[in-house]
Amino acid sequence: GQSLEQPSEVTAVEGAIVQINCTYQTSGFYGLSWYQQHDGGAPTFLSYNALDGLEETGRFSSFLSRSDSYGYLLLQELQMKDSASYFCAVRTSGGSYIPTFGRGTSLIVHP
Amino acid sequence: GAGVSQSPSNKVTEKGKDVELRCDPISGHTALYWYRQSLGQGLEFLIYFQGNSAPDKSGLPSDRFSAERTGGSVSTLTIQRTQQEDSAVYLCASSLGVAVANEKLFFGSGTQLSVL
Repeated sequence: GQSLEQPSEVTAVEGAIVQINCTYQTSGFYGLSWYQQHDGGAPTFLSYNALDGLEETGRFSSFLSRSDSYGYLLLQELQMKDSASYFCAVRTSGGSYIPTFGRGTSLIVHP
Repeated sequence: GAGVSQSPSNKVTEKGKDVELRCDPISGHTALYWYRQSLGQGLEFLIYFQGNSAPDKSGLPSDRFSAERTGGSVSTLTIQRTQQEDSAVYLCASSLGVAVANEKLFFGSGTQLSVL
């Protein structure tokens, strides 16, 4: 099976930079995704990493190290609207590519 | 529609009753997923449909749970003889279904199920 570990909660102030880590244990790893979910809302896709390195999309970046089974989501120039839960998810080989999600990290941004 | 639609948005039921939750995926998406999210928890996989293939039911927690997808589009998740531990948000997602690892999932806003 697969397992993912994320911190349960992270707090930061507006304008700061925050990093949300994700470690995983899986077989046949294909890639790591990140999703954002505001309270009561639908999870929305943020990023995907299949290869080692950093992927940048505006204020958000995502990093992957396959050798360390580790990734992180980096949020820059934090805004109040970034307060949400962030989930990492892995896809593994096995034919169906069903994503397995972590428990999520609640990000609280203070003024 | 423009996105994944789920109904009802909220459902309150009594223990022992059956419930049906509906999901309308994005038009043209052949893959459909059901996940369950309990308070403060991650997304627990329940069942996956891809085109006309047999569904992957490996995540269903008991035989009280079943799902079907009619005409490759709308899906219904049925929970029989509901228990209090079934209380959760049930999320549906769809994707293009081209079986690539970077394929993104599009989620609905979920059905909040409360079993009294």
